[in-house]
Amino acid sequence: SQTIHQWPATLVQPVGSPLSLECTVEGTSNPNLYWYRQAAGRGLQLLFYSVGIGQISSEVPQNLSASRPQDRQFILSSKKLLLSDSGFYLCAWSAGTSGKEGETQYFGPGTRLLVL
Amino acid sequence: LAKTTQPISMDSYEGQEVNITCSHNNIATNDYITWYQQFPSQGPRFIIQGYKTKVTNEVASLFIPADRKSSTLSLPRVSLSDTAVYYCLVGHSYMDSNYQLIWGAGTKLIIKP
Repeated sequence: SQTIHQWPATLVQPVGSPLSLECTVEGTSNPNLYWYRQAAGRGLQLLFYSVGIGQISSEVPQNLSASRPQDRQFILSSKKLLLSDSGFYLCAWSAGTSGKEGETQYFGPGTRLLVL
Repeated sequence: LAKTTQPISMDSYEGQEVNITCSHNNIATNDYITWYQQFPSQGPRFIIQGYKTKVTNEVASLFIPADRKSSTLSLPRVSLSDTAVYYCLVGHSYMDSNYQLIWGAGTKLIIKP
């Protein structure tokens, strides 16, 4: 069966510090991978999307970046965090196929980031 | 561009049937409709997905009219543990970098005893 991991679970960082969040998926090959951010009490904001190694699509301009160094590894980074970067960061995967299977996303447990 | 609209919140009681409707007037031909459930401090969890007509699984039903401009998630005989935020997602992903995923803002469902 497929599993998705995220770490760390929680993180408190000062403004201006760097960030690296990691997501890994097990039990599937060539998944589509997603990074979302969720502000407190708000909905899901899609940040990045990847269909393969080294292929990243950015949804919104910001001081965050994403990388996919391996097939089942997705990393979210920042060189200098802003207060507005605080939130709940979710990684998700879906099957790398078109059609119904490819439309179902499976989410990780999330990382709670607080920037002070 | 498609947009999804859901009620911000709903209340119901244990044992009742709950229906949450999502409107998506500009849904594209290739778009699927998916509903997710999210508990506090957890990632959303897939509930049900459909393209047209009616879909039923062990936890919910999804009704989609012929014009597909809306969809209704139906939760039969809810319990306190169904208190959560429910998201409607309309979209499709391609195998390349072109995709469209439109999330609703979520409906906070509160079930009372």
